[in-house]
Amino acid sequence: QSVLTQPPSASGTPGQRVTISCSGTSSNIGSNYVYWYQQLPGTAPKLLIYRNNQRPSGVPDRFSGSRSGTSASLAISGLRSEDEADYYCAAWDDSLNNWVFGGGTKLTVL
Amino acid sequence: QVQLVQSGAEVKKPGASVKVSCKASGYTFTSYDINWVRQATGQGLEWMGWMNPNSGNTGYAQKFQGRVTMTRNTSISTAYMELSSLRSDDTAVYYCARVMAVASSSWFDPWGQGTLVTVSS
Repeated sequence: QSVLTQPPSASGTPGQRVTISCSGTSSNIGSNYVYWYQQLPGTAPKLLIYRNNQRPSGVPDRFSGSRSGTSASLAISGLRSEDEADYYCAAWDDSLNNWVFGGGTKLTVL
Repeated sequence: QVQLVQSGAEVKKPGASVKVSCKASGYTFTSYDINWVRQATGQGLEWMGWMNPNSGNTGYAQKFQGRVTMTRNTSISTAYMELSSLRSDDTAVYYCARVMAVASSSWFDPWGQGTLVTVSS
């Protein structure tokens, strides 16, 4: 059972906007930055969003992140077929002294 | 470019140990921590611990304390993760990742390509 809670699946059609939620507690999301990683099929995870809402160079501005209280979300606008992947949220947990991850959300582009 | 290249797939028997390597290139190896994360087939990501390649200092997730050892060889810019007393539920892809740290925040970028460790009798 993952410490951070994500929906197991999400879907949308090309061009749509989808949002993926990530719920935690005061010891992780509530007090530390949230990060998002994208894992394309058969590949290693790749950094998508850092420090709640910052995009690394090379990540399209269609991807955006936000945090409020003990929850965070990843939004993908103008959905494209190449966005089909698993998405994971992550945060440091002050109580566990551990990095914790969400269980991952499988995004399907219909 | 910054790259982490891991060793190849391993098949081990229960009770054995496995040592996975992670060779860094494109940056100064001793300037950034290396973390290890694993992923069982069809499952999520699980953090195992960190190592500072400069000092050799390490920190392990409680779940793996006593079974995992993270080391490095700075002369060849390579980090290692050794897991002992392997069980079938240790079957997973093991990733190394460089830690980027800026002003009290840190994240994993980039990741190695992953090493599949299969534990089977």
